[in-house]
Amino acid sequence: GAVVSQHPSWVICKSGTSVKIECRSLDFQATTMFWYRQFPKQSLMLMATSNEGSKATYEQGVEKDKFLINHASLTLSTLTVTSAHPEDSSFYICSATRDSINEQFFGPGTRLTVL
Amino acid sequence: SQKIEQNSEALNIQEGKTATLTCNYTNYSPAYLQWYRQDPGRGPVFLLLIRENEKEKRKERLKVTFDTTLKQSLFHITASQPADSATYLCARGGGTASKLTFGTGTRLQVTL
Repeated sequence: GAVVSQHPSWVICKSGTSVKIECRSLDFQATTMFWYRQFPKQSLMLMATSNEGSKATYEQGVEKDKFLINHASLTLSTLTVTSAHPEDSSFYICSATRDSINEQFFGPGTRLTVL
Repeated sequence: SQKIEQNSEALNIQEGKTATLTCNYTNYSPAYLQWYRQDPGRGPVFLLLIRENEKEKRKERLKVTFDTTLKQSLFHITASQPADSATYLCARGGGTASKLTFGTGTRLQVTL
């Protein structure tokens, strides 16, 4: 149990376009979902924390108008990268927690390449 | 800021040996530390959680320790196998909303 999926697994887009990434908890209701970004050979950097039905909390330095997060239900959160630029190319990973358990269940990640 | 450091970028060991990975943290002790495994191009997979008041935790061939004096956690894999080759991430938690701060990871390579 505790499976998290992401869609798409990879995406290539042109500079200036917007890209939406979905994160779903398949077999549990996620109290909180997190969005991370990971550059090659670097660690996961938390971008934002998302709770169902409320606005996401963004980490310092993350532009909330550029990285739009919607947490529509207890099983779905979306991240939209607006007006993407080549520097936004990265590996985006979501995770989810359930109940009061501290363990985070990670999705498989989405590789975004902006040309 | 609360930092988490994994000083060894890479570790190479022979099959059958015990791999020991180190994680150091700064400032106050986190409520808990977690260890994850990440394979290339994949999301991390949870392995173990150890709380501040626990000295040691085991799970099959894995063992993790938490030393609040040294501000350090050690992660051991006994009888290592080539399939254990991956990047291992240490993360500190216990703040608001279960947020985790990750180290940069140690890439473990187990050779025959």
